[in-house]
Amino acid sequence: GAVVSQHPSRVICKSGTSVKIECRSLDFQATTMFWYRQFPKQSLMLMATSNEGSKATYEQGVEKDKFLINHASLTLSTLTVTSAHPEDSSFYICSARDLGVAGFQETQYFGPGTRLLVL
Amino acid sequence: QKEVEQDPGPLSVPEGAIVSLNCTYSNSAFQYFMWYRQYSRKGPELLMYTYSSGNKEDGRFTAQVDKSSKYISLFIRDSQPSDSATYLCAMSAEGGSYIPTFGRGTSLIVHP
Repeated sequence: GAVVSQHPSRVICKSGTSVKIECRSLDFQATTMFWYRQFPKQSLMLMATSNEGSKATYEQGVEKDKFLINHASLTLSTLTVTSAHPEDSSFYICSARDLGVAGFQETQYFGPGTRLLVL
Repeated sequence: QKEVEQDPGPLSVPEGAIVSLNCTYSNSAFQYFMWYRQYSRKGPELLMYTYSSGNKEDGRFTAQVDKSSKYISLFIRDSQPSDSATYLCAMSAEGGSYIPTFGRGTSLIVHP
């Protein structure tokens, strides 16, 4: 199956600093990528939809000025957590949409996740 | 009522057992149904993908969709300790611009 990578896999930062997480689709082009957040023993919570070449669409309750998303190319989306605070500590997972053949059987492939700990 | 309901478990079974994992949903517009496996501290991995009703088999895994009951299942035959993970169901209303809705996941433990 398709491969999606994330970097870094884990990061520890001080409160008030900004952290950038990269999401790459390695063997397909993804016009759409998604950013999720997951707390322990909880499901995936969609934060935003990242569209190549346009502004991201944020879910209700997600601060767009705090979670900056950039989708500059068909294989790369970045999430920047600005002025991080301890409550931002979580597991952040990206996914990329593979349209497949002529848009049929499109599927969504996830990255391995980034564990963020804000001290 | 949540759109997708999934019992978080944990579900503990002996090695070799047949495992049944289930989700119910309320949105009758859902057409695409997926099962993901997530190991601890890892991203979800797509296991099965089905469209509309019916069964789909892939090795030891069988996905079943009953749209009339709004109920989907994932069966794992001859379960192995390596199957121990959290299994998330996901579903969406259309494939063109979908954003799937996820269940909260069921934790499965297969003990030797």
